[in-house]
Amino acid sequence: GDSVTQMEGPVTLSEEAFLTINCTYTATGYPSLFWYVQYPGEGLQLLLKATKADDKGSNKGFEATYRKETTSFHLEKGSVQVSDSAVYFCALRRGRQLTFGSGTQLTVLP
Amino acid sequence: DADVTQTPRNRITKTGKRIMLECSQTKGHDRMYWYRQDPGLGLRLIYYSFDVKDINKGEISDGYSVSRQAQAKFSLSLESAIPNQTALYFCATSALRGKSDNEQFFGPGTRLTVL
Repeated sequence: GDSVTQMEGPVTLSEEAFLTINCTYTATGYPSLFWYVQYPGEGLQLLLKATKADDKGSNKGFEATYRKETTSFHLEKGSVQVSDSAVYFCALRRGRQLTFGSGTQLTVLP
Repeated sequence: DADVTQTPRNRITKTGKRIMLECSQTKGHDRMYWYRQDPGLGLRLIYYSFDVKDINKGEISDGYSVSRQAQAKFSLSLESAIPNQTALYFCATSALRGKSDNEQFFGPGTRLTVL
């Protein structure tokens, strides 16, 4: 079946540091790929998405590129802020359902 | 006002009790979902519904049931709660829009503790 593997957290960075959260997937065909963010005490919000190979999703300074050859969708941000502290989930959609990774807790220190 | 609301937000109950979690949405979406979130496991799909007459089991439906009372309401029931159902439960909605990949909008979650 489909699966998503994320780098384990927690990740702690200083403000303005570079962020990478790795995500790889296993799925047949051509899934769509997503990053969701969960701020403390809230539900998940869509951060960015990519629907086909080589697409780059971007939002709020975050980027991720759909790499079919490496089955990856790594999340990056050049300069994180304290307000980026949250849990980040990678997910794929093939057919009717979303399959989520286990989530990566990010803490950004001032 | 929130587009996707869940009640209650927190609930503590005892083993064997029947519990209902409710979800309402004002987004006019056709599709609704129930997930549970456990530490280190991400979100797992329990049930989903693509319209009022359509109910489908997800990855972990055992021990749960659902009811789609109206387009805007989707309830999750635990007929006889057990401690390993202690988790954070999320409702989500999405729009039916052809074959495009549609964003899911999540409620704030219900924290359920079964003693």
